[in-house]
Amino acid sequence: NAGVMQNPRHLVRRRGQEARLRCSPMKGHSHVYWYRQLPEEGLKFMVYLQKENIIDESGMPKERFSAEFPKEGPSILRIQQVVRGDSAAYFCASSPNPVRSVYTFGSGTRLTVV
Amino acid sequence: KNEVEQSPQNLTAQEGEFITINCSYSVGISALHWLQQHPGGGIVSLFMLSSGKKKHGRLIATINIQEKHSSLHITASHPRDSAVYICAVIPNTGNQFYFGTGTSLTVIP
Repeated sequence: NAGVMQNPRHLVRRRGQEARLRCSPMKGHSHVYWYRQLPEEGLKFMVYLQKENIIDESGMPKERFSAEFPKEGPSILRIQQVVRGDSAAYFCASSPNPVRSVYTFGSGTRLTVV
Repeated sequence: KNEVEQSPQNLTAQEGEFITINCSYSVGISALHWLQQHPGGGIVSLFMLSSGKKKHGRLIATINIQEKHSSLHITASHPRDSAVYICAVIPNTGNQFYFGTGTSLTVIP
């Protein structure tokens, strides 16, 4: 599990600020998935990226949320003008292929909006 | 209606008991994962199944594709097994997992 690195582990933001969550996939994994876990709820898909491409963003809120996975560096999930309802655990997972036969999760970033 | 249903939602067991967690799903899938999440912790993939049965230590996972059902069994349960267990399916179409809401297991010494 240590292979997918997410940082920070905990992030506190005031309402209206921006939150940037980073995910470094396992070595050799070029497919990254972001999930959100709201308090007392299950995991929900947000976005699926491959290097430099967004493949599926059907789970992303239409406003304030964006994601990227540049050629170099980690994948970034960006939340602009955060609101209390954005408080959640955000998990990243990576796989070497789209079939997801090998699928590794990060430890998550817990975002608290105050 | 959720595509993936788990039962029970909460489970308390005495140390040493045999535990079963069930997962039913309503979509055609290419594979199913059982995940483990400790309180405040990350998520670990325990098993990926597309057919039959897998065993890892005290954990056993089975899947019946025709009945759209999977079970996770823990033999000789231990307090360190206390966690939330999540069933997740990969549908035949689309890119996302569908997740169950999880089963919260507490094993009492």
